[in-house]
Amino acid sequence: EAGVAQSPRYKIIEKRQSVAFWCNPISGHATLYWYQQILGQGPKLLIQFQNNGVVDDSQLPKDRFSAERLKGVDSTLKIQPAKLEDSAVYLCASSQGTGNTEAFFGQGTRLTVV
Amino acid sequence: QQPVQSPQAVILREGEDAVINCSSSKALYSVHWYRQKHGEAPVFLMILLKGGEQKGHEKISASFNEKKQQSSLYLTASQLSYSGTYFCGTVRSNDYKLSFGAGTTVTVRA
Repeated sequence: EAGVAQSPRYKIIEKRQSVAFWCNPISGHATLYWYQQILGQGPKLLIQFQNNGVVDDSQLPKDRFSAERLKGVDSTLKIQPAKLEDSAVYLCASSQGTGNTEAFFGQGTRLTVV
Repeated sequence: QQPVQSPQAVILREGEDAVINCSSSKALYSVHWYRQKHGEAPVFLMILLKGGEQKGHEKISASFNEKKQQSSLYLTASQLSYSGTYFCGTVRSNDYKLSFGAGTTVTVRA
């Protein structure tokens, strides 16, 4: 079974530039999560999708971050414009159910804003 | 919103035991435990649903006290491979979003 795919693996941008991350979840998984993990901290939930709909995006900085899930499958997370404090690993995860099944994580995208 | 984990870090010698605690102020639907090694993605260990069931994975087990909204992860007879950062993830009953604690760094030495 193929895992959660993310790209790119690494990205370096200057502040005020824009960047986009892509995630392809495991086939058939209804729930998709985007997390931001700053070095030394736990993953912080940015947005959680259930199929096409948003379950929660309360911690997504909506003035600069946006996310969409196309046809309930792939997802894109965008940052525009980026700030220095956005430097982190962005993890995508997916699960079959919501809350009652394990979440599988992708390898993440390491973003460095200079 | 995020669960609270304790301790922040623990150092063990091979063969020793440890307990990691996780608590929430809100009613929980489930608790998830993950281990993350440096530079890698978190790896699932186990999930506990409402009902207080204790689960096991090799010599790692966990319990969930539904009344207290607390979970504990037990590392028994620790091995070098147990080193890493352990995260508890909680799913609240009212919104079903999966939130993680700050993590507990476990170092097992020979």
